Parts: sequence; structure tokens; C-alpha cells
Amino acid sequence: AQSVTQLDSHVSVSEGTPVLLRCNYSSSYSPSLFWYVQHPNKGLQLLLKYTSAATLVKGINGFEAEFKKSETSFHLTKPSAHMSDAAEYFCVVSDQGGRRALTFGSGTRLQVQP
Amino acid sequence: DTGVSQNPRHKITKRGQNVTFRCDPISEHNRLYWYRQTLGQGPEFLTYFQNEAQLEKSRLLSDRFSAERPKGSFSTLEIQRTEQGDSAMYLCASSFEGSGTEAFFGQGTRLTVV
Repeated sequence: AQSVTQLDSHVSVSEGTPVLLRCNYSSSYSPSLFWYVQHPNKGLQLLLKYTSAATLVKGINGFEAEFKKSETSFHLTKPSAHMSDAAEYFCVVSDQGGRRALTFGSGTRLQVQP
Repeated sequence: DTGVSQNPRHKITKRGQNVTFRCDPISEHNRLYWYRQTLGQGPEFLTYFQNEAQLEKSRLLSDRFSAERPKGSFSTLEIQRTEQGDSAMYLCASSFEGSGTEAFFGQGTRLTVV
């Protein structure tokens, strides 16, 4: 069975400081992992994805994530937060190399203080 | 715009009525997913199609819910005898079949049952 745990429901950072959003997953084998972002009243947008190639994945808007199989983690980071990064972030897993439907975490709300 | 399109965007209905939502996926995508999202939660998987075949259905999906994808193009999601607990955002997504392909989401249909 596949599942995702997002360890923080809310994260608050100051503009210009690093962002860390934590995600642990459970998967039978060969997971594909994604981070999606949802701004208020907007649709879900893909930030980045891991599909068994490089373990460090770079996405849009300066975000990146590292796949660590030994820790079953896929944490999302950004060196310097911007006000426009304030949104809800979802970690997502798809088992069997991405052939299963996506399973979402419960989300982390990122607040960016000026 | 060639993204995923959902109609209507908003629906208010009285308890006990039937409602139907439509999703038009990105034209070359053969996979189509339905998710439900309530306030403060991540999207919850309902069902998905590959072409016209319904390949997976969540155990959480009651028999009041039915989805179709005739001819493997657009899809409809019907809820019969709506209940207040059905109030949620219903999201549709589409993707290519294959390992690690990301899903593209529509803006959703917000259902309010009064």
C-alpha cells in the first residue's frame, strides 16, 4: 500500500530564509514522488517529480527535493523564501513506478512573513 | 487554453438531489482521475480511468457515486441522493499512461449541499 505523511501542517518562515517542508512516504516498490502546490482559489500545480533517476530533483521557482530511500523521505527545500511562495504544499506518491493513482498527503501550509 | 476543464465550477443543491459534474481532460491524455478535497485536507482519490476502462475505485466511494468515461474522452461523475457530507471540491486530473508521468489538474467543481 502507498501512503504519505507530511510531518508539519503549518510552517512559517521569514522572507529570504530557507524553507523545509518534510515528507515521509510508504510504498511497496518503485515509487514515483511529486510535490504539488495549491495557491488560494487556484488549481494544483506540479512543482517537481522524482521517477527513479537522479535523487536530487530540481523544480520550478527554485524548489528542490531529495529522495532518500533509506529514510523513506522526500523533503522539499528552497534556499530563500519569497512572499509568493505562501501556499499549501502537497507531497504525493504513486506506487509501481507511477502506474498507480496518486495518493496525497494532508498538506503543509507555508506562511512567509515579511 | 488546452488544460483540464471542469464544469460547473460551483454547484449548490438540496440534500437528496442528484448532481452530475463533467471533466474534459487534456486531449492526448489517456488517463483521467477524480479526487475529492475537503477544507484543510489533501485531495482524496475516488477513481480513475485508462481510456474508457475504470481501472481503480476507492473503497471510500459509496454506491451513490458513479463515474463514466464513454469513448475515453470526457468523463462524468454523478452523485445520487446527495448528503451534506458530500459538500467538497471535486477535482479532475489527466495524464499520460506511463511511469512517473505527472497529473494535470482542473480548477475543480465546488459542491455545496444544503
